[in-house]
Amino acid sequence: QVQLVESGGDVVQPGRSLRLSCAASGFTFSSHALHWVRQAPGKGLEWVAVISYDGRNKYYADSVKGRFTISRDNSRNTLYLQMNSLRAEDAAVYYCARDKSIGAAVMVPEYWGQGTLVTVSS
Amino acid sequence: EIVLTQSPTTLSLSPGERATLSCTASQSISSYLAWYQQKPGQAPRLLIYDASDRATGIPARFSGSGSGTDFTLTISSLEPEDFAVYYCQQRINWPPITFGQGTRLEIK
Repeated sequence: QVQLVESGGDVVQPGRSLRLSCAASGFTFSSHALHWVRQAPGKGLEWVAVISYDGRNKYYADSVKGRFTISRDNSRNTLYLQMNSLRAEDAAVYYCARDKSIGAAVMVPEYWGQGTLVTVSS
Repeated sequence: EIVLTQSPTTLSLSPGERATLSCTASQSISSYLAWYQQKPGQAPRLLIYDASDRATGIPARFSGSGSGTDFTLTISSLEPEDFAVYYCQQRINWPPITFGQGTRLEIK
């Protein structure tokens, strides 16, 4: 079965950096685009970024563009999110999610991990 | 950016009743709409994609309809495990994909 396990969430000060990881299993990792979606405490869902199955194409929400970088290692079945210059408004549970389609992304996050909590506070 | 507005914000019903949740897009999104269910402390679960297609393993009591700007998620007869928050999501015009603000379905 599809499994996505996020890690790396922590308490960090504003302006600092953090890298999240998402370990995948149960499917052909290199065949699917992958997303990061976040949810601030008590709030709704906000899409953060997507990376194509081969890692060549990456897209970001305006709120994180220039600060966050999505990447993947298909040899390790792992997705990453490098977060720099963190702000208070970046505090959230971060979910990784597998796109529904094989190959080109259809932008439907189908399977989700359980999330990892990022707290930004001085 | 396309804005999705969900109504009502909160819906109070009893098990066995029919639930109707709405999602309105700020411009036409054809049928590129998905619905998710989220229970407290859990990740979202995909229910419906492309407005009316049920995702793998989703019970038949969940159905979706609509196109253009107006969409509906219907739960034909509520089970106790259906009480949760529901989100709609559009994918026609990205980046970004966007979500509605959610509808909380609570037990009356």
